[in-house]
Amino acid sequence: AQTVTQSQPEMSVQEAETVTLSCTYDTSENNYYLFWYKQPPSRQMILVIRQEAYKQQNATENRFSVNFQKAAKSFSLKISDSQLGDTAMYFCAFPLLSSGSARQLTFGSGTQLTVLP
Amino acid sequence: DAGVIQSPRHEVTEMGQEVTLRCKPISGHDYLFWYRQTMMRGLELLIYFNNNVPIDDSGMPEDRFSAKMPNASFSTLKIQPSEPRDSAVYFCASRYTGGVGTGELFFGEGSRLTVL
Repeated sequence: AQTVTQSQPEMSVQEAETVTLSCTYDTSENNYYLFWYKQPPSRQMILVIRQEAYKQQNATENRFSVNFQKAAKSFSLKISDSQLGDTAMYFCAFPLLSSGSARQLTFGSGTQLTVLP
Repeated sequence: DAGVIQSPRHEVTEMGQEVTLRCKPISGHDYLFWYRQTMMRGLELLIYFNNNVPIDDSGMPEDRFSAKMPNASFSTLKIQPSEPRDSAVYFCASRYTGGVGTGELFFGEGSRLTVL
């Protein structure tokens, strides 16, 4: 069963505009972390932002912020003042407890974001 | 600090050949993960190690795939014999067991494998 769902395979936004990428997940845990990773054309996976589930305040990193709705199990990423360098594939990720009792990141299918000049 | 280092960055080989991908995790990290990324299946976890010991290899597709971690600073992923359907980008990632245990991973740049 899909644990992390990104329903938008592709999105585009004009430079300087704001865009929101959606992610939903499924868990029975109460305390956990969520992540957004970015994969630009160079293919390096780069952590964009993380959210701790027990914190009510939404995480913010410069132009990147999240809208975390714990009850709805929703974890969207908002990019403000979009820049051309934001063009990348964005992955939502959740650290599942594995059979080995360690957490392994499970990724959504990704959203390809294109920032248009 | 150096990040996760993978080699080679690109590998082109012919079907039936042996392929070895290499990874050096970040010093001090006690978990190492191998992922495979394809257009069809996205990012898939193949195997992970804790303190050099393989913990979960349920994602390894076939017996043609094997992974080792002889010491804390080196791991290999081997495919023998390789097939065209193995063509993908293979990522190595590492993390440490922090007091919080966030699960955040640090990735290498990936090895793009093309099997002709």
